[in-house]
Amino acid sequence: EAGVVQSPRYKIIEKKQPVAFWCNPISGHNTLYWYLQNLGQGPELLIRYENEEAVDDSQLPKDRFSAERLKGVDSTLKIQPAELGDSAVYLCASQGQHTGELFFGEGSRLTVL
Amino acid sequence: DQQVKQNSPSLSVQEGRISILNCDYTNSMFDYFLWYKKYPAEGPTFLISISSIKDKNEDGRFTVFLNKSAKHLSLHIVPSQPGDSAVYFCAASYGNAGNMLTFGGGTRLMVKP
Repeated sequence: EAGVVQSPRYKIIEKKQPVAFWCNPISGHNTLYWYLQNLGQGPELLIRYENEEAVDDSQLPKDRFSAERLKGVDSTLKIQPAELGDSAVYLCASQGQHTGELFFGEGSRLTVL
Repeated sequence: DQQVKQNSPSLSVQEGRISILNCDYTNSMFDYFLWYKKYPAEGPTFLISISSIKDKNEDGRFTVFLNKSAKHLSLHIVPSQPGDSAVYFCAASYGNAGNMLTFGGGTRLMVKP
C-alpha cells in the first residue's frame, strides 16, 4: 500500500513569490492534515480536512496561506506571497477512520530567499 | 501555550543501555498519546501509542508509560541500538481516535556504538 505522497520534496523561491505543495493521502483515509515544522520544533497544525471540508483551519494564516481538498482526496497548500519566515518543512498526514495514528508524508522543504 | 512539552532537546545513550525519553502535558482532556520517530529528510513515523485507560503499553523493545496524575509519559527503549538514533516526538489527542494530534518539540536521541 502506498503511503502519503508529497511533492515537491524541496523548493527554493525568492520572497514574494508564490509556491504550492501537493499531497496525495493514503487511499481511503478521509482525514487529511497539513502541518508546519520549523527547525528543531515539533509539527504544528495548519489545517485539518474531513473529506473535502476544512474542519479546523484556525492556525492557518489566511492572509497568505490557502488550502483546498477538492473531491476529498488530494490536497494542495498554497502560499502567496511567500515570506522569509515561511521557510520550513510542510508535512501532510492522513488518518483512517478507526485509528488515532497519523501517517505522514516525507514533507516538502521550503526555502525562501 | 505549549500543551505538550519535551524538555530534553537531546539525549545520548550507549548502545545496549536503556533510553528514556520524557514528555509532559498540561491539558487534562488528553486521553490518547503517541510517540513518533523521525529520521532526517523523512516524515515522522508512528512508533507506539497508549490510551489513558492504561498505564503501560509494550511493543518489543519499546515501552510507553503513562502517569495521568503527573500528566507525564515516557518512552523506554531497551536495549538501545544505533539505528534508534532519530528525533522522537510525543503527541496527544482527546476524544478517542480520529482527533488531531498536538505534538511536543521533539528529543534527538543519539545511540553511540
